[in-house]
Amino acid sequence: DTGVSQDPRHKITKRGQNVTFRCDPISEHNRLYWYRQTLGQGPEFLTYFQNEAQLEKSRLLSDRFSAERPKGSFSTLEIQRTEQGDSAMYLCASSAPLDNYNEQFFGPGTRLTVL
Amino acid sequence: SQQGEEDPQALSIQEGENATMNCSYKTSINNLQWYRQNSGRGLVHLILIRSNEREKHSGRLRVTLDTSKKSSSLLITASRAADTASYFCVGAAGNMLTFGGGTRLMVKP
Repeated sequence: DTGVSQDPRHKITKRGQNVTFRCDPISEHNRLYWYRQTLGQGPEFLTYFQNEAQLEKSRLLSDRFSAERPKGSFSTLEIQRTEQGDSAMYLCASSAPLDNYNEQFFGPGTRLTVL
Repeated sequence: SQQGEEDPQALSIQEGENATMNCSYKTSINNLQWYRQNSGRGLVHLILIRSNEREKHSGRLRVTLDTSKKSSSLLITASRAADTASYFCVGAAGNMLTFGGGTRLMVKP
């Protein structure tokens, strides 16, 4: 399977704990995006990387959230001191470097439940 | 950033019928995209229409775009139970896609 992959698919944690999610984009895609989706809503943009550079961050991305893409390939999203409001599906997407129309390919998501 | 707002929020039809979903957005776009999301396959890109196009077809899908009204529609013909999903329109200009709340389509067998 050469699509976008995310790990883990599900994560249950207690409030106050730190969690880290991983995203592996399609191999030739240099652009990578993180979104958050809550039940009944559309995905909300969190942050965007072009290669290893984080170029955009949403106001939704509080200080407890940090994302990295150290080698321009896979990316990690860390949430520190989780809160119940962080419970959501976290989606990763990637798009091709020569794609002027920004068609994004999404992974299956990581569903986070904070107890 | 752009925002798509879909209408209706929910739609229930019988298998074989056509389904039409509408979308409005707020500012100028480079293109408009429709995505589908269901529990089995996650969020999948369906079709993209460029700002200089008015209509586009892909299989059973037909998309229209009216940039003067900042609106788009998605028509699914001869619907199938497998089309049951949420459908999102996304106006794109730049690197960020901003999704609306989606239309939840249910196709009854």
